Amino acid sequence: NAGVMQNPRHLVRRRGQEARLRCSPVKGHSHVYWYRQLPEEGLKFMVYLQKENIIDESGMPKERFSAEFPKEGPSILRIQQVVRGDSAAYFCASSSGIWAEAFFGQGTRLTVV
Amino acid sequence: EDQVTQSPEALRLQEGESSSLNCSYTVSGLRGLFWYRQDPGKGPEFLFTLYSAGEEKEKERLKATLTKKESFLHITAPKPEDSATYLCAVPGGSQGNLIFGKGTKLSVKP
Repeated sequence: NAGVMQNPRHLVRRRGQEARLRCSPVKGHSHVYWYRQLPEEGLKFMVYLQKENIIDESGMPKERFSAEFPKEGPSILRIQQVVRGDSAAYFCASSSGIWAEAFFGQGTRLTVV
Repeated sequence: EDQVTQSPEALRLQEGESSSLNCSYTVSGLRGLFWYRQDPGKGPEFLFTLYSAGEEKEKERLKATLTKKESFLHITAPKPEDSATYLCAVPGGSQGNLIFGKGTKLSVKP
C-alpha cells in the first residue's frame, strides 16, 4: 500500500538550469498539492491540481514555475532557470477529496549552487 | 485572512513529563483541523483530523482536542521517540489547500 512517492529525494542544480520534481499520489487519490518548506519557515502552499487540471495556483510564483498532473503518470513541478532562492524542500501531498486529510511524500530537497 | 499560530516554538521535556502544545486558528468556516508530525528530513506524517468543537482524538500518548478558536495536542508521559516537530493546519480558501503553523519542535530527553 504505497504512499505518496516523490523523486528524486535530493536534487542539485546550477543556477540557470531546470529542475523537475515528480510526485505519484496515493493510489486512488485524484487531488494533488505541492508545498514548499524553507529553513525555519512553515510549509507554504504552491499549487493544487486534479487530473489534467490546475485548480488553484495562487501560491506559485508566476515566473519560472509550472505544474502539471497528466491523465497518465506522475504530477510534475517544474522550475526553470533556477536561482539560489529556490533552494528548499518541496513536498507533494495527495487526498481523496477537497476537504479530506492529505498525505505527504518524503519531499525533494533542491539545492541550487 | 486565514491564519494558524502555534506555541511554543520549542518545548523540551523530560521523559514522562506530560505537556500540551497549542494551535490557535483564524479561518472563515472551519472545515477541519489537522495535526501532523514531521521528523527531520522527512515529510509530514498525518496524525489527526478534528472537525467540530468538543471533539477529541487519541493515538498512543497523544490526544488532540478542539475548541472554536484553538486546538491542543496533549502528550502524556512522552518518550524520546516522540521528539519531532508537530504541525497544525487548517484548510483555507475555497479549494482546501492547507494553511500550516510554523510548528512546535518537541525534544524529549531520557
